[in-house]
Amino acid sequence: AQSVTQLDSQVPVFEEAPVELRCNYSSSVSVYLFWYVQYPNQGLQLLLKYLSGSTLVKGINGFEAEFNKSQTSFHLRKPSVHISDTAEYFCAVTPLSGGYNKLIFGAGTRLAVHP
Amino acid sequence: DAGVIQSPRHEVTEMGQEVTLRCKPISGHDYLFWYRQTMMRGLELLIYFNNNVPIDDSGMPEDRFSAKMPNASFSTLKIQPSEPRDSAVYFCASSRGTGVTNQPQHFGDGTRLSIL
Repeated sequence: AQSVTQLDSQVPVFEEAPVELRCNYSSSVSVYLFWYVQYPNQGLQLLLKYLSGSTLVKGINGFEAEFNKSQTSFHLRKPSVHISDTAEYFCAVTPLSGGYNKLIFGAGTRLAVHP
Repeated sequence: DAGVIQSPRHEVTEMGQEVTLRCKPISGHDYLFWYRQTMMRGLELLIYFNNNVPIDDSGMPEDRFSAKMPNASFSTLKIQPSEPRDSAVYFCASSRGTGVTNQPQHFGDGTRLSIL
């Protein structure tokens, strides 16, 4: 079985400051990893995904994430945040195995960007 | 392109009533998912379909919940009878193919359900 832990439930930050949202996972098999963003009153949108290859993954809106297999982490970063980045961010995993496998989501991190 | 369309956006009803949530997936997508989001439990997968056939309904909380997909462009999630603890935001999502490697899940804007 897989599980995802997002270490911070809320992250307040000032506009133009850097931010890191932390995600750790647990799995006995290799996994694919994802970050989704949920703006108020909307559904989830895919920010970025790691399937294989380079461990540094770039996504939309200037976000990037780094996969660290030894630490089983997939932290999300942005060097300079905007007010419009205020949203909830979800880390998710799915195991690499035959057939379709459902996404396992973390509890979410609420990013609040202040002027 | 139209995204995943859910209706209604908001639903308020009294306990004991039947509730039907509707979803129109993106055309050409062969996977459809129903999720429930609450503060206490976060985002939970309830059920998913492949080519209109239910594949995994292990997340459906109890027999009061049922889901159908009569054709490729329509799905319903029904709660009968409804209870206050069913209050949540219900999301529908769809994807093409495996939904994992190259084709992410696309989410609708959700139905906010309140059971009084």
